[in-house]
Amino acid sequence: AQSVAQPEDQVNVAEGNPLTVKCTYSVSGNPYLFWYVQYPNRGLQFLLKYITGDNLVKGSYGFEAEFNKSQTSFHLKKPSALVSDSALYFCAVRGRAAGNKLTFGGGTRVLVKP
Amino acid sequence: ETGVTQSPTHLIKTRGQQVTLRCSSQSGHNTVSWYQQALGQGPQFIFQYYREEENGRGNFPPRFSGLQFPNYSSELNVNALELDDSALYLCASSPGQGQGEQYFGPGTRLTVT
Repeated sequence: AQSVAQPEDQVNVAEGNPLTVKCTYSVSGNPYLFWYVQYPNRGLQFLLKYITGDNLVKGSYGFEAEFNKSQTSFHLKKPSALVSDSALYFCAVRGRAAGNKLTFGGGTRVLVKP
Repeated sequence: ETGVTQSPTHLIKTRGQQVTLRCSSQSGHNTVSWYQQALGQGPQFIFQYYREEENGRGNFPPRFSGLQFPNYSSELNVNALELDDSALYLCASSPGQGQGEQYFGPGTRLTVT
Protein backbone atom coordinates (compact mmCIF):
# COMPACT_ATOMS: atom_id res chain seq x y z
CA ALA A 1 0.00 0.00 0.00
CA GLN A 2 1.16 3.51 -0.68
CA SER A 3 0.92 6.38 1.79
CA VAL A 4 1.90 10.01 2.28
CA ALA A 5 2.61 11.86 5.51
CA GLN A 6 2.57 15.61 5.92
CA PRO A 7 3.70 16.04 9.51
CA GLU A 8 2.71 19.69 9.91
CA ASP A 9 -0.94 20.70 9.95
CA GLN A 10 0.04 24.35 9.57
CA VAL A 11 3.14 26.32 8.66
CA ASN A 12 3.41 30.01 9.50
CA VAL A 13 5.97 32.17 7.75
CA ALA A 14 6.57 35.89 7.30
CA GLU A 15 6.34 37.34 3.82
CA GLY A 16 9.73 37.31 2.13
CA ASN A 17 11.05 34.44 4.23
CA PRO A 18 11.74 30.94 2.90
CA LEU A 19 8.86 28.49 2.95
CA THR A 20 9.18 24.72 3.42
CA VAL A 21 6.35 22.20 3.50
CA LYS A 22 7.37 18.68 4.45
CA CYS A 23 6.28 15.42 2.85
CA THR A 24 7.37 11.82 3.26
CA TYR A 25 6.00 8.89 1.35
CA SER A 26 5.85 5.12 1.23
CA VAL A 27 5.41 3.19 -2.01
CA SER A 28 6.68 0.05 -3.67
CA GLY A 29 9.33 0.78 -6.23
CA ASN A 30 10.15 4.16 -7.67
CA PRO A 31 7.48 6.80 -7.11
CA TYR A 32 5.79 9.49 -9.06
CA LEU A 33 5.45 12.46 -6.69
CA PHE A 34 3.26 15.53 -6.96
CA TRP A 35 2.42 18.73 -5.15
CA TYR A 36 -0.95 20.41 -5.45
CA VAL A 37 -2.34 23.61 -3.91
CA GLN A 38 -5.95 24.26 -2.95
CA TYR A 39 -7.47 27.67 -2.38
CA PRO A 40 -10.77 28.06 -0.49
CA ASN A 41 -13.76 26.60 -2.32
CA ARG A 42 -11.58 25.59 -5.25
CA GLY A 43 -10.27 22.38 -6.73
CA LEU A 44 -6.64 21.33 -6.64
CA GLN A 45 -4.08 23.12 -8.78
CA PHE A 46 -0.98 21.27 -9.96
CA LEU A 47 2.34 22.80 -8.83
CA LEU A 48 5.05 20.34 -9.79
CA LYS A 49 5.97 16.68 -10.17
CA TYR A 50 8.92 14.33 -9.89
CA ILE A 51 9.06 11.49 -12.38
CA THR A 52 12.73 10.78 -12.88
CA GLY A 53 16.02 12.59 -13.36
CA ASP A 54 17.20 15.65 -11.43
CA ASN A 55 16.23 15.47 -7.77
CA LEU A 56 15.44 19.20 -7.69
CA VAL A 57 12.20 19.91 -9.50
CA LYS A 58 11.03 23.41 -10.39
CA GLY A 59 7.36 24.19 -10.74
CA SER A 60 4.79 26.93 -10.97
CA TYR A 61 4.80 30.24 -9.05
CA GLY A 62 8.42 29.92 -7.96
CA PHE A 63 7.95 26.65 -6.07
CA GLU A 64 10.45 23.82 -6.15
CA ALA A 65 10.75 20.45 -4.46
CA GLU A 66 13.62 18.14 -3.68
CA PHE A 67 13.29 14.39 -4.07
CA ASN A 68 15.35 12.44 -1.52
CA LYS A 69 15.14 8.72 -2.14
CA SER A 70 17.05 7.63 0.94
CA GLN A 71 14.81 9.67 3.23
CA THR A 72 11.69 9.01 1.12
CA SER A 73 10.92 12.70 1.21
CA PHE A 74 9.69 15.28 -1.26
CA HIS A 75 9.68 18.63 0.55
CA LEU A 76 8.16 21.67 -1.14
CA LYS A 77 10.11 24.92 -0.98
CA LYS A 78 9.89 28.53 -2.01
CA PRO A 79 12.80 30.92 -1.42
CA SER A 80 10.63 33.97 -0.70
CA ALA A 81 7.00 33.50 0.35
CA LEU A 82 4.16 35.80 -0.68
CA VAL A 83 0.94 36.52 1.19
CA SER A 84 -0.87 35.08 -1.84
CA ASP A 85 0.85 31.72 -1.19
CA SER A 86 -1.44 31.23 1.81
CA ALA A 87 -3.42 28.10 0.96
CA LEU A 88 -3.70 24.36 1.59
CA TYR A 89 -0.91 22.25 0.12
CA PHE A 90 -1.14 18.55 -0.67
CA CYS A 91 1.61 16.09 -1.45
CA ALA A 92 0.63 13.00 -3.46
CA VAL A 93 2.31 9.79 -4.56
CA ARG A 94 1.58 7.24 -7.24
CA GLY A 95 3.37 3.96 -7.64
CA ARG A 96 4.42 3.02 -11.12
CA ALA A 97 2.26 -0.10 -11.03
CA ALA A 98 -0.81 1.54 -9.55
CA GLY A 99 -2.51 2.90 -12.61
CA ASN A 100 -3.44 6.48 -12.15
CA LYS A 101 -4.45 6.31 -8.49
CA LEU A 102 -3.05 9.18 -6.48
CA THR A 103 -2.65 8.86 -2.71
CA PHE A 104 -2.71 12.22 -0.95
CA GLY A 105 -1.39 13.38 2.36
CA GLY A 106 -3.65 15.12 4.83
CA GLY A 107 -2.57 18.55 3.72
CA THR A 108 -0.60 21.43 5.27
CA ARG A 109 -2.11 24.84 5.66
CA VAL A 110 0.35 27.62 4.89
CA LEU A 111 -0.20 31.05 6.36
CA VAL A 112 2.06 33.82 5.11
CA LYS A 113 1.88 36.94 7.24
CA PRO A 114 2.67 40.41 5.87
CA GLU B 1 -8.05 27.24 -14.42
CA THR B 2 -8.07 23.75 -15.86
CA GLY B 3 -10.50 22.71 -18.58
CA VAL B 4 -12.26 20.31 -16.21
CA THR B 5 -15.80 21.31 -15.26
CA GLN B 6 -18.15 19.81 -12.70
CA SER B 7 -21.84 20.20 -11.99
CA PRO B 8 -23.59 21.03 -9.85
CA THR B 9 -21.47 23.27 -7.65
CA HIS B 10 -23.44 22.55 -4.51
CA LEU B 11 -26.05 19.96 -3.65
CA ILE B 12 -28.11 19.16 -0.58
CA LYS B 13 -29.65 15.71 -0.24
CA THR B 14 -31.42 13.73 2.43
CA ARG B 15 -30.09 10.49 3.88
CA GLY B 16 -31.21 7.51 1.80
CA GLN B 17 -31.54 9.48 -1.44
CA GLN B 18 -29.49 9.00 -4.59
CA VAL B 19 -27.27 11.60 -6.28
CA THR B 20 -25.53 12.00 -9.64
CA LEU B 21 -22.53 14.26 -10.10
CA ARG B 22 -21.15 15.18 -13.50
CA CYS B 23 -17.72 15.95 -14.88
CA SER B 24 -16.46 17.12 -18.27
CA SER B 25 -12.82 16.28 -18.82
CA GLN B 26 -10.22 18.52 -20.37
CA SER B 27 -10.07 18.30 -24.14
CA GLY B 28 -7.97 15.35 -25.28
CA HIS B 29 -8.03 13.60 -21.90
CA ASN B 30 -9.41 10.05 -21.94
CA THR B 31 -8.94 9.19 -18.26
CA VAL B 32 -11.16 10.46 -15.47
CA SER B 33 -10.67 9.86 -11.76
CA TRP B 34 -13.02 10.70 -8.91
CA TYR B 35 -11.99 11.65 -5.38
CA GLN B 36 -13.85 12.34 -2.15
CA GLN B 37 -12.46 15.08 0.08
CA ALA B 38 -13.99 15.19 3.54
CA LEU B 39 -13.64 18.39 5.51
CA GLY B 40 -10.11 18.86 6.78
CA GLN B 41 -8.71 15.84 4.95
CA GLY B 42 -6.87 15.04 1.78
CA PRO B 43 -8.72 13.65 -1.24
CA GLN B 44 -9.45 9.92 -1.22
CA PHE B 45 -9.48 7.98 -4.49
CA ILE B 46 -12.90 6.54 -5.39
CA PHE B 47 -12.36 5.11 -8.87
CA GLN B 48 -10.96 5.78 -12.31
CA TYR B 49 -12.33 5.37 -15.83
CA TYR B 50 -10.23 4.88 -18.92
CA ARG B 51 -11.92 4.72 -22.30
CA GLU B 52 -15.31 4.04 -20.71
CA GLU B 53 -14.11 1.18 -18.50
CA GLU B 54 -13.53 1.28 -14.75
CA ASN B 55 -9.90 0.28 -14.26
CA GLY B 56 -9.15 1.15 -10.65
CA ARG B 57 -11.14 1.49 -7.46
CA GLY B 58 -10.42 2.66 -3.94
CA ASN B 59 -11.97 1.52 -0.68
CA PHE B 60 -15.50 2.66 -1.38
CA PRO B 61 -18.64 0.49 -1.25
CA PRO B 62 -20.56 -0.56 -4.36
CA ARG B 63 -23.18 2.12 -3.81
CA PHE B 64 -20.56 4.43 -5.31
CA SER B 65 -20.68 3.80 -9.05
CA GLY B 66 -19.80 5.65 -12.19
CA LEU B 67 -19.90 5.93 -15.93
CA GLN B 68 -17.71 7.36 -18.62
CA PHE B 69 -19.20 8.38 -21.94
CA PRO B 70 -17.70 8.26 -25.47
CA ASN B 71 -16.78 11.94 -25.20
CA TYR B 72 -14.89 11.02 -21.97
CA SER B 73 -17.21 12.97 -19.70
CA SER B 74 -18.16 11.09 -16.56
CA GLU B 75 -20.77 10.64 -13.86
CA LEU B 76 -20.46 9.63 -10.24
CA ASN B 77 -23.55 8.06 -8.74
CA VAL B 78 -24.07 7.48 -5.03
CA ASN B 79 -27.03 5.45 -3.81
CA ALA B 80 -28.50 5.26 -0.31
CA LEU B 81 -26.75 8.41 0.85
CA GLU B 82 -25.31 8.47 4.35
CA LEU B 83 -24.41 11.46 6.48
CA ASP B 84 -20.70 10.59 6.10
CA ASP B 85 -21.01 11.04 2.34
CA SER B 86 -21.04 14.79 2.93
CA ALA B 87 -17.85 15.98 1.25
CA LEU B 88 -16.31 17.79 -1.70
CA TYR B 89 -16.26 15.46 -4.71
CA LEU B 90 -13.43 16.13 -7.12
CA CYS B 91 -13.07 14.97 -10.67
CA ALA B 92 -9.67 14.86 -12.35
CA SER B 93 -8.73 14.15 -15.94
CA SER B 94 -5.46 13.15 -17.53
CA PRO B 95 -4.22 12.22 -21.00
CA GLY B 96 -4.00 8.47 -20.69
CA GLN B 97 -2.65 6.39 -17.85
CA GLY B 98 0.92 7.57 -18.07
CA GLN B 99 3.09 9.45 -15.66
CA GLY B 100 1.54 12.85 -16.11
CA GLU B 101 -0.29 14.97 -13.61
CA GLN B 102 -4.04 14.99 -13.19
CA TYR B 103 -6.05 18.15 -13.74
CA PHE B 104 -8.78 18.76 -11.21
CA GLY B 105 -12.15 20.39 -11.54
CA PRO B 106 -13.53 22.80 -8.93
CA GLY B 107 -15.54 20.07 -7.22
CA THR B 108 -19.12 19.49 -6.13
CA ARG B 109 -19.96 20.15 -2.49
CA LEU B 110 -22.46 17.52 -1.34
CA THR B 111 -24.27 17.93 1.95
CA VAL B 112 -26.35 15.04 3.27
CA THR B 113 -28.85 15.87 6.00
